[in-house]
Amino acid sequence: DSGVTQTPKHLITATGQRVTLRCSPRSGDLSVYWYQQSLDQGLQFLIQYYNGEERAKGNILERFSAQQFPDLHSELNLSSLELGDSALYFCASSVAGLSEQYFGPGTRLTVT
Amino acid sequence: AQSVTQLDSQVPVFEEAPVELRCNYSSSVSVYLFWYVQYPNQGLQLLLKYLSGSTLVKGINGFEAEFNKSQTSFHLRKPSVHISDTAEYFCAVSGPRTGNQFYFGTGTSLTVIP
Repeated sequence: DSGVTQTPKHLITATGQRVTLRCSPRSGDLSVYWYQQSLDQGLQFLIQYYNGEERAKGNILERFSAQQFPDLHSELNLSSLELGDSALYFCASSVAGLSEQYFGPGTRLTVT
Repeated sequence: AQSVTQLDSQVPVFEEAPVELRCNYSSSVSVYLFWYVQYPNQGLQLLLKYLSGSTLVKGINGFEAEFNKSQTSFHLRKPSVHISDTAEYFCAVSGPRTGNQFYFGTGTSLTVIP
């Protein structure tokens, strides 16, 4: 157990819908990262937050947004969902920006 | 930008045989290097890391990796694999010049054959 929690574990929704994925980092970790993992794209970095502020942006679509709250948990919002958004979404946390990341168990999103 | 290349997408190996999973990165300047393992239907778990110091790094489950600055490589090795080592392995790099980002390789699928 990495100490990073993600909810829900599974999510099935229809195209065009909007969903919110939630992540609670390890106690004491200030950085939160979001990744998307699919069979054809591999592991893709989406976005990073550090202590409530956006720090780095990767291959995140405009339909996707994220935030980190004062209690350091983070949410990833995915809107206007398409079939191609079906993937595993991982959250990871670290103490600081460059140290090792600890991954949550992931949320499996299925868009039908 | 930094990049990570895992040279082998799939590596089959017989049980109790040695294995090496190869990883190369694009910059030799101030990098931190990591290997992660992902078992089926699970998140990524840190195997080992290199931040500084000794170039031979020992990790969990009997794995080790060697940082080679001149060849910009960080290959993962295990002298004798077990069935339970069957998983996906990811190499990753970060550092002061990566803009706070981690760069992951595309992964190597290790299959241990009984």
